Amino acid sequence: EDQVTQSPEALRLQEGESSSLNCSYTVSGLRGLFWYRQDPGKGPEFLFTLYSAGEEKEKERLKATLTKKESFLHITAPKPEDSATYLCAAAVTGGGNKLTFGTGTQLKVEL
Amino acid sequence: NAGVTQTPKFQVLKTGQSMTLQCAQDMNHEYMSWYRQDPGMGLRLIHYSVGAGITDQGEVPNGYNVSRSTTEDFPLRLLSAAPSQTSVYFCASSYSASAREQYFGPGTRLTVT
Repeated sequence: EDQVTQSPEALRLQEGESSSLNCSYTVSGLRGLFWYRQDPGKGPEFLFTLYSAGEEKEKERLKATLTKKESFLHITAPKPEDSATYLCAAAVTGGGNKLTFGTGTQLKVEL
Repeated sequence: NAGVTQTPKFQVLKTGQSMTLQCAQDMNHEYMSWYRQDPGMGLRLIHYSVGAGITDQGEVPNGYNVSRSTTEDFPLRLLSAAPSQTSVYFCASSYSASAREQYFGPGTRLTVT
């Protein structure tokens, strides 16, 4: 069974304190690894797609990386507006665009 | 572009009632899907469609029906609501049915009493 696990469940950072969120996956064949940001009461907002091990993508203070077993979302010098729940999801071989989601990491950045 | 829109935003139903959650997208996307989000469980796929006239089941399809008569619309029908269907429902769309990013609507919060 395909599985996506995120850690930690919750993370509290001071403004400017860099850290990483982890997404480990056990799937039959990875076609794509997706990162989303979700604010309270809103739908997930697309951030990145990674397709192969070694790939990296960046957007402002966020950088996503991918290995053969896990993905990391690195947050550099976070600001309070980066507070949100970050979700990762996997699309697998033969699964089309069906996504298996992790349960998310709830990030709070404090002043 | 409005993107993906969903109505209603909130709904309360009694056990046994039926209703339809509406979803529409204006991006000419082929692929549309419905997920439910429950605390501690992550998003789970209910049904999906790879184009008008084509639908298929996801991970948790029981108690739900879908149809896709146009590219733009993908309604989700609850046939006889049960308390276990209390959840937040998200519709999403994507340019194609391959592993491409999906764009989510704002969600419908459903409570079944």
